[in-house]
Amino acid sequence: EIVLTQSPGTLSLSPGERATLSCRASQSINRNYLAWYQQKPGQAPRLLVYDASTRATDIPDRFSGSVSGTDFTLTISSLEPEDFAMYFCQQYGTSTRTFGQGTKVEIK
Amino acid sequence: QVLLVQSGAEVREPGASVKVSCKASGYTFTDSYLHWVRQAPGGGLEWMGWINCNGGGTYYSHKIQGRVTMARDTSIRTVYMELRGLRGDDTAIYYCAREGVGGRLADPFDIWGQGTMVTVSS
Repeated sequence: EIVLTQSPGTLSLSPGERATLSCRASQSINRNYLAWYQQKPGQAPRLLVYDASTRATDIPDRFSGSVSGTDFTLTISSLEPEDFAMYFCQQYGTSTRTFGQGTKVEIK
Repeated sequence: QVLLVQSGAEVREPGASVKVSCKASGYTFTDSYLHWVRQAPGGGLEWMGWINCNGGGTYYSHKIQGRVTMARDTSIRTVYMELRGLRGDDTAIYYCAREGVGGRLADPFDIWGQGTMVTVSS
């Protein structure tokens, strides 16, 4: 089973700042099948990025994903008030899907 | 509009079973794999397994294999997740989620149900 480790656990930033979220995989992920989801309190997760770097439909371009080996990064270039939320990475390169434990982006 | 609508909240005693439904609309039901994901209060997301809505094949997480059954009824475009031998740590929001129908080897979860709260308490 591929283990995904997200860091940091919490990111305290101000609106307009840049957010950099990390997701490290315990082994290589087939075809870089790695997605990022955003979840707000009381809501289901929402797909932001898939295949490590492709934005999902209707996702603003301030969200971007990148990969280097087994290290995946989600960057929010300039935080908007609605971006303060939980973020989870997920791999779908194996039949057993796994999620990271999440990063909370909170207002400083 | 593509939608997944789940059944309502449930309360069960330890040792009991619960069955949660997820009704799909707005796309070709049998083109999809539907997954179940749960989230304990204040916790992260835990993947539970998937069902192929065409042939009915299933694949479960090793952690809960033996206690879970996923099934589908194509006539009413609905999938079900039954969890048996409930324990306190099964208390969670249970989500169904559609794997994208891009026709590739695998896809992320592009549509999610609204979630069903299952509480296990005596």
